[in-house]
Amino acid sequence: EVQLVESGGGLVQPGRSLRLSCTASGFTFGDYAMSWFRQAPGKGLEWVGFIRSKAYGGTTEYAASVKGRFTISRDDSKSIAYLQMNSLKTEDTAVYYCTRAIAAAAGYYFDYWGQGTLVTVSS
Amino acid sequence: EIVMTQSPATLSVSPGERATLSCRASQSVDTKLAWYQQKPGQGPRLLIYGASTRATGLPARFSGSGSGTEFTLTINSLQSEDSAVYYCQQYDNWPLTFGPGTKVEIK
Repeated sequence: EVQLVESGGGLVQPGRSLRLSCTASGFTFGDYAMSWFRQAPGKGLEWVGFIRSKAYGGTTEYAASVKGRFTISRDDSKSIAYLQMNSLKTEDTAVYYCTRAIAAAAGYYFDYWGQGTLVTVSS
Repeated sequence: EIVMTQSPATLSVSPGERATLSCRASQSVDTKLAWYQQKPGQGPRLLIYGASTRATGLPARFSGSGSGTEFTLTINSLQSEDSAVYYCQQYDNWPLTFGPGTKVEIK
């Protein structure tokens, strides 16, 4: 059974950093691209960033709102994807979801989602 | 950036009836369109990808159609457990973008 478990969320002050982890099980992690999404309280879904599998260079893509502040990485030996968040802003407050990406027709859709971890940025 | 819109914002349907949800893209996304269902307190669940392909295990009463800029999610014989917010998402271009969602309520 595919499982994605996010961890590392919590309360952090504006300007500080936080690292989220996504621990995967039930599939060969290194074969898949992974992505992070977020959802501010009471709002819709927003894509944050994406990392390809090592077979495709392990390259990344980011939303404009987080580019230069957030970094996605992966440790295939541990089946973990990370989201390093620096220079956090109050508008980064959200539930953050980790997802598995499926390549399809030169794009990717997301077939498994974790339960999410809440990040609150407040002084 | 491709802007996704959804209508209606809220849909109230009686059990056993059909719900029709619409999604529109600001430019063509071919068939690179997915639908997700989200219930309160839960992560989203993939329903449809490629505009019309059902995810594994999804009941046949869910169906997707469309291409280019106009898409539809149809839920036949609506059941109480279908009460949720439904989002469409394009994956034709970066950045990936979602519609604002349609909330389906059961009368």
